[in-house]
Amino acid sequence: EPEVTQTPSHQVTQMGQEVILRCVPISNHLYFYWYRQILGQKVEFLVSFYNNEISEKSEIFDDQFSVERPDGSNFTLKIRSTKLEDSAMYFCASSVSGAMNQPQHFGDGTRLSIL
Amino acid sequence: DAKTTQPNSMESNEEEPVHLPCNHSTISGTDYIHWYRQLPSQGPEYVIHGLTSNVNNRMASLAIAEDRKSSTLILHRATLRDAAVYYCILRGLYGQNFVFGPGTRLSVLP
Repeated sequence: EPEVTQTPSHQVTQMGQEVILRCVPISNHLYFYWYRQILGQKVEFLVSFYNNEISEKSEIFDDQFSVERPDGSNFTLKIRSTKLEDSAMYFCASSVSGAMNQPQHFGDGTRLSIL
Repeated sequence: DAKTTQPNSMESNEEEPVHLPCNHSTISGTDYIHWYRQLPSQGPEYVIHGLTSNVNNRMASLAIAEDRKSSTLILHRATLRDAAVYYCILRGLYGQNFVFGPGTRLSVLP
């Protein structure tokens, strides 16, 4: 069964450094998402992306964050200047469409640790 | 999206059926009911979804109340691998993201 893959599985970065998290969505999917989960807390939506544009974003997704699809397969989340509070699991997801009845398929996440 | 209420935790014995309830009294007519689960150290995993009628797939069954104000996820024979946090999420016309609550932590006892 096709799956969403994320790399790296664990990223350790110094505070203030830039970090890029990578995702390969399922190949025929058109909608892409990033969520995060701080340890022990709920899964939180960050951003959705369709047709090379951000279609929706949460309050968490401020100017420090950006997303892009640099080629036909990768979908990346960049954090420009990391803070301690950015430490979390980051999950990428994709779906065939943005319709209400379409499931999103999640990767197993990247654990981001900011020192 | 309308809010859902789930028990914080439930326990089940291995190989027995499990019924995970979800209340969504403010559901609107166009909201779909989605269930996801999150196994330890993994991302959320799609389980099942429905609108009005009961649904079955290889993982589970979804029973939706006639007034749609509640639903129940049914695992027919729990295995140790089913120990996870189960999320009941409503998804409506507005917003493409899923809003995850705290979910129900299911423990399966051997």
